[in-house]
Amino acid sequence: KQEVTQIPAALSVPEGENLVLNCSFTDSAIYNLQWFRQDPGKGLTSLLLIQSSQREQTSGRLNASLDKSSGRSTLYIAASQPGDSATYLCAVKKGYSTLTFGKGTMLLVSP
Amino acid sequence: DVKVTQSSRYLVKRTGEKVFLECVQDMDHENMFWYRQDPGLGLRLIYFSYDVKMKEKGDIPEGYSVSREKKERFSLILESASTNQTSMYLCASSIPGQGILGDFIYGYTFGSGTRLTVV
Repeated sequence: KQEVTQIPAALSVPEGENLVLNCSFTDSAIYNLQWFRQDPGKGLTSLLLIQSSQREQTSGRLNASLDKSSGRSTLYIAASQPGDSATYLCAVKKGYSTLTFGKGTMLLVSP
Repeated sequence: DVKVTQSSRYLVKRTGEKVFLECVQDMDHENMFWYRQDPGLGLRLIYFSYDVKMKEKGDIPEGYSVSREKKERFSLILESASTNQTSMYLCASSIPGQGILGDFIYGYTFGSGTRLTVV
């Protein structure tokens, strides 16, 4: 059974710092990996999707990498801002099954 | 942009009531999903559907049923609401491909969630 782990569970940084969120998964035979953002009490907003054949994706200040062989993905956020404060979730897709989610990293960026 | 709309942001229902949660997507997606999200447990899949009138159980289907009479609408039904069904419910859809295996190159789009409280 696929398991997805996100470390750290919570992170607090001052504004302007570059930071890395980690996601690991136990079964490397995935089709894709998706990073989401969730604001308190809200739904999920898709940030980046990395297909299994890709190594990374970039969107603005966000960069996500994927290393299937080691079962790891990282989300890099450059020059963090208070508006980046949210919970970040990674999810992997394997075959017939739907997404398997990690439990998220709660990020707080202080001014 | 794809839009997934959940009809209610907040609902309060009484124990034993039959509850309907509605989800509509506007981009002709074949695949639709219902998740619940609870602190410490993360997101768990309740049911999904890969076509009209088709449904598959997810990880925690007990106490729930679903209906997909039209492609754009996927309803989650709590047959007899209980307090342990108090949760955030999230609907999602994904772009169609070559059947359910074909959506691997696309991501999921989520609705804004329904916070259900059963008292």
